[in-house]
Amino acid sequence: QLQLQESGPGLVKPSETLSLTCTVSGGSISSSSYYWGWIRQPPGKGLEWIGSIYYSGSTYYNPSLKSRVTISVDTSKNQFSLKLSSVTAADTAVYYCARRTVVTPRVFDYWGQGTLVTVSS
Amino acid sequence: DIQMTQSPSTLSASVGDRVTITCRASQSISSWLAWYQQKPGKAPKLLIYKASSLESGVPSRFSGSGSGTEFTLTISSLQPDDFATYYCQQYNSYFTFGGGTKVEIK
Repeated sequence: QLQLQESGPGLVKPSETLSLTCTVSGGSISSSSYYWGWIRQPPGKGLEWIGSIYYSGSTYYNPSLKSRVTISVDTSKNQFSLKLSSVTAADTAVYYCARRTVVTPRVFDYWGQGTLVTVSS
Repeated sequence: DIQMTQSPSTLSASVGDRVTITCRASQSISSWLAWYQQKPGKAPKLLIYKASSLESGVPSRFSGSGSGTEFTLTISSLQPDDFATYYCQQYNSYFTFGGGTKVEIK
């Protein structure tokens, strides 16, 4: 059974860089059938897609966050990572990693449990 | 950017009720729409993709319809496990979620 697990600091200071890693188990991140993505949810609010990456390293980002986001993949560790720079309190959210299929259904079908990141001094 | 608008934002219903949630896109997204269910403290769960295709393992009381800019999620007979928040998501151009509809007990 595929599992995704987010890890990283739960507290980040304003203006610093948020860094999270998603570890994939029960399946290979190097499969040509999937993209891997990050989605976030501020407390009590809705969902926002941050960006996605293919095992080859090809990325695409939410235009509203593109200037601050970097997503990378480490196939040797079966992990992908998120870096979000110059964070503010508005970046406080639960961050989820998720898998998206290349073909049908082409949506996020497996999700991690999520990790809360608070931006505060 | 494609904006997704859900209505209502909150819905009060009883077990056994037929429930309908609407999602509107700011421009045509063909049938590239998914629905997710989220319970407190949990990740979203995929229910429906391509507007009307039921994800494997999802009960048949859930159904989706629509195309273009207007879509609906229907729960034919609300069950206790269905009280949750529901989100639509377009995947015609990048990914955008609706604001959510909370289905609460009446």
